[in-house]
Amino acid sequence: GIQVEQSPPDLILQEGANSTLRCNFSDSVNNLQWFHQNPWGQLINLFYIPSGTKQNGRLSATTVATERYSLLYISSSQTTDSGVYFCAVGDYNQGGKLIFGQGTELSVKP
Amino acid sequence: EPEVTQTPSHQVTQMGQEVILRCVPISNHLYFYWYRQILGQKVEFLVSFYNNEISEKSEIFDDQFSVERPDGSNFTLKIRSTKLEDSAMYFCASSLDRDHGYTFGSGTRLTVV
Repeated sequence: GIQVEQSPPDLILQEGANSTLRCNFSDSVNNLQWFHQNPWGQLINLFYIPSGTKQNGRLSATTVATERYSLLYISSSQTTDSGVYFCAVGDYNQGGKLIFGQGTELSVKP
Repeated sequence: EPEVTQTPSHQVTQMGQEVILRCVPISNHLYFYWYRQILGQKVEFLVSFYNNEISEKSEIFDDQFSVERPDGSNFTLKIRSTKLEDSAMYFCASSLDRDHGYTFGSGTRLTVV
């Protein structure tokens, strides 16, 4: 099955700093999503981005499907950005289920 | 923005008891899923449901688990005889079709004692 690796596993930032989170996957996919899991455990959908680039406020994401990776950029980080960021990928031709990475735990200090 | 609604948000149950976790997917969505996350671990796929039947299930989804869409709006996950290791956060998700992403509910935290 598809393998998903996220890096770094942990990240500590000062408020206002920028960061880049990476997601590598082992096979071709036609679904890729980034999620933020907040301290209450909720999974918040950030981006549906099987290819290309999208931006939403201080967050943006880029997926290069041919090279099997995706990047999530967080600019001017805030303490409310803290939590775990998950990348999840899927292939509709193989059932469509999402395979999650292990996540990047981000802590933004004031 | 439309939401996937899960109830209850937290449930505590005795080992061996049956539990039913409830979900109301987004109304025009056609694909439905259950995932679980054991504390501190990654999110794992349990089952997908389309056209009133299971389309795929993982090896975690054994005979103790079942899913049902009893009416046009609810989607339930039943665990027949809970074990301690079933303690986890259970997420329901739905999607419109295969060209759109999944929307996840807020989860039900199940604690088996």
